[in-house]
Amino acid sequence: KNQVEQSPQSLIILEGKNCTLQCNYTVSPFSNLRWYKQDTGRGPVSLTIMTFSENTKSNGRYTATLDADTKQSSLHITASQLSDSASYICVVNGGNNRKLIWGLGTSLGVNP
Amino acid sequence: GEEVAQTPKHLVRGEGQKAKLYCAPIKGHSYVFWYQQVLKNEFKFLISFQNENVFDETGMPKERFSAKCLPNSPCSLEIQATKLEDSAVYFCASSQAGVSYGYTFGSGTRLTVV
Repeated sequence: KNQVEQSPQSLIILEGKNCTLQCNYTVSPFSNLRWYKQDTGRGPVSLTIMTFSENTKSNGRYTATLDADTKQSSLHITASQLSDSASYICVVNGGNNRKLIWGLGTSLGVNP
Repeated sequence: GEEVAQTPKHLVRGEGQKAKLYCAPIKGHSYVFWYQQVLKNEFKFLISFQNENVFDETGMPKERFSAKCLPNSPCSLEIQATKLEDSAVYFCASSQAGVSYGYTFGSGTRLTVV
């Protein structure tokens, strides 16, 4: 079954600290993997989209990695800010019908 | 414009009433997607359009849900005879080039069925 699992479910860190969020997937065939940030009451905003051949992609303080062999991805946030408090969702585009398969997200809280 | 505009932001309906949600995709984007998010859980795909044609409707509960994307009009998602379990945030997204490309999401319509 095509699935996307994220860990941890929730995380609280202090402002200025770094953190890494994990995503494991069992989607096949694979097209691309996306990380979205969803603020409370808002729609998801794309952070990165990575294809099979990309190992690392950065967007400001956000760096995503992809290991297509082990079917794992991570999102690293550097020097966290209060505005990073949000849900971070890993989404894999793939499967025989090339749908988006959504993880349940990691809820990140950044405290002063 | 460069954003996906969804209206209304909030909608309250009594059980059994009709609900209609609207989505104006980004100009030049030919794909539109509708998703349902219940209680901050996973996004459930409902339907997608390529221009005014249905592209994929495998997620639609067809007996009560319908959707359209007509030329020169916002896309719409209509729920006939709403049920309590329809309470959710409905997100619309648009994409320039299709399923495998980047999506831009609107801010959603929160539907509450009482």
